[in-house]
Amino acid sequence: TQLLEQSPQFLSIQEGENLTVYCNSSSVFSSLQWYRQEPGEGPVLLVTVVTGGEVKKLKRLTFQFGDARKDSSLHITAAQPGDTGLYLCAGAGETSGSRLTFGEGTQLTVNP
Amino acid sequence: DADVTQTPRNRITKTGKRIMLECSQTKGHDRMYWYRQDPGLGLRLIYYSFDVKDINKGEISDGYSVSRQAQAKFSLSLESAIPNQTALYFCATSDLPTAEGPEQFFGPGTRLTVL
Repeated sequence: TQLLEQSPQFLSIQEGENLTVYCNSSSVFSSLQWYRQEPGEGPVLLVTVVTGGEVKKLKRLTFQFGDARKDSSLHITAAQPGDTGLYLCAGAGETSGSRLTFGEGTQLTVNP
Repeated sequence: DADVTQTPRNRITKTGKRIMLECSQTKGHDRMYWYRQDPGLGLRLIYYSFDVKDINKGEISDGYSVSRQAQAKFSLSLESAIPNQTALYFCATSDLPTAEGPEQFFGPGTRLTVL
């Protein structure tokens, strides 16, 4: 069974601060995704990384896939209250097709 | 209109009752999934289906069953609900994975409480 561990589980910061969320595993993934979930809604895909060492930027969000494709990070620069939500990483195993393994999630609160 | 819909959105029931959660999608995807979400545990896969006549167990299928009535519909049943099945349930769909990975599209969730 492939496991993904996210840290931290909770993060409460002030507007304007930077933060990093980590997603780690002992397993190799063919791709890794980051989703964001708001209260009362399902998760929505933010980005997919597929190549070891890949870095993708989405405005103030920077996503990185580890060289060995076992870990990933999400960095937010100058966080805003609108960034508040639950961030989930999800990995696709090399033989799992479209099935995903999800991390436990990081609940981010950005205070004005 | 939402691409993936779930009914009901909220349900309170009693131990031992049979419950069915329904999912419909207009995305035209063949692949559908049922997850449950518990605080601190992320999303865990209950069952998934890659086609109308295809049903597969996920990591936590005990106590649950599913029915794939059509490409657009995937139902989750709890034959005899128990309190530890209290959770948020999500349905999701996906197309075949691409080079960019298998994006899944989620419904809004059903909050189930078993008393």
